Amino acid sequence: KAGVTQTPRYLIKTRGQQVTLSCSPISGHRSVSWYQQTPGQGLQFLFEYFSETQRNKGNFPGRFSGRQFSNSRSEMNVSTLELGDSALYLCASSLEGTTSYSLHNEQFFGPGTRLTVL
Amino acid sequence: TQLLEQSPQFLSIQEGENLTVYCNSSSVFSSLQWYRQEPGEGPVLLVTVVTGGEVKKLKRLTFQFGDARKDSSLHITAAQPGDTGLYLCAGAPNTGTASKLTFGTGTRLQVTL
Repeated sequence: KAGVTQTPRYLIKTRGQQVTLSCSPISGHRSVSWYQQTPGQGLQFLFEYFSETQRNKGNFPGRFSGRQFSNSRSEMNVSTLELGDSALYLCASSLEGTTSYSLHNEQFFGPGTRLTVL
Repeated sequence: TQLLEQSPQFLSIQEGENLTVYCNSSSVFSSLQWYRQEPGEGPVLLVTVVTGGEVKKLKRLTFQFGDARKDSSLHITAAQPGDTGLYLCAGAPNTGTASKLTFGTGTRLQVTL
């Protein structure tokens, strides 16, 4: 079974631009979460989608948004980019909604998209 | 807000040495997970501990969940260069759907020959 895939892997943008990142979860997984990872703040939760609905949201400004499609694929968008948005953006899917779900919300991560804002 | 502090932040050791990484919080978690992240990759789940006092072994790695379910430790015996990476603990505040994980601050381990 293929793992979580994220595109693109690397992205360079300038301040004020917007960006869209894409994530395809493991086949059969319906929950997709997004995280931001930086050296200073570590791994921080952005939001989680399940069956096309946002269920959880972290403490990020409204410039960060996302959506999930009927095939469970997800996108996140960051508008009006700031220098501080430079980070590794990780997508993860979980077994929730499958017969293997363990109730502990273990995450299966993709390789991430490295965003650099200049 | 639940916080998970990991110590040490950085650890550089030689092959064959033993080490312990700690993950501490003032909050109670229903379960705790450990992940390892290698450069250029996303974190990979190593283990989930659920019961207070639980000990799980994964080859040379031993994971323990504190009795009060507020802390955890990861012990590596005879470290190898392949153990190099960022180790992250993650706590689940409650079981069930939509449980939002809190990730620890991370421990970066480097094992040299």
